Amino acid sequence: DVKVTQSSRYLVKRTGEKVFLECVQDMDHENMFWYRQDPGLGLRLIYFSYDVKMKEKGDIPEGYSVSREKKERFSLILESASTNQTSMYLCASSLNLRVGTGNTGELFFGEGSRLTVL
Amino acid sequence: GQSLEQPSEVTAVEGAIVQINCTYQTSGFYGLSWYQQHDGGAPTFLSYNGLDGLEETGRFSSFLSRSDSYGYLLLQELQMKDSASYFCAVRGMTTDSWGKLQFGAGTQVVVTP
Repeated sequence: DVKVTQSSRYLVKRTGEKVFLECVQDMDHENMFWYRQDPGLGLRLIYFSYDVKMKEKGDIPEGYSVSREKKERFSLILESASTNQTSMYLCASSLNLRVGTGNTGELFFGEGSRLTVL
Repeated sequence: GQSLEQPSEVTAVEGAIVQINCTYQTSGFYGLSWYQQHDGGAPTFLSYNGLDGLEETGRFSSFLSRSDSYGYLLLQELQMKDSASYFCAVRGMTTDSWGKLQFGAGTQVVVTP
């Protein structure tokens, strides 16, 4: 059974703390993604990676950084947490989209990490 | 870039049919996907339209018309378990959007007895 595992379901941190959110997938997927989900705003892409040590900014990268040292692991880092980063964070992975192969680009999501910054 | 619009909420009774529209403005994309998310759960993939037309998967169907910049998800024979949020999403193909899967804000479907 395919699986994306996020290290923490719930975290409470204080303003200014450094926060690490870890994500591991066991499907040998090339692509990994970090989204945040807020009511009324849907899922917004923070960063994604299409290969080890590669990263691309999404739509809202400010205040975040990522690390992909191994294919199966993609970490999201909040260098100095702020209250406006209180949110649900979702990690996902997918195969590379190769046009014509019938690959739908399906994303497999983890259960999410709900972060509260006080 | 891409912008997707979908209704915020739809309410229907069990057994009914619901259509969730997704209109988009994008300079190019690989296809339109739909995801379902139950409260407290992870989004899960429902369907993908790489070409124009209708794709059917059991009670759910999805449609895409690139010329109209429009797609929809059709939920038939609604069941209580279909109460969830439904998101449309497109994957970009332009230089600045390649690889990104962009989501709409989601439609909350409420199924009543």
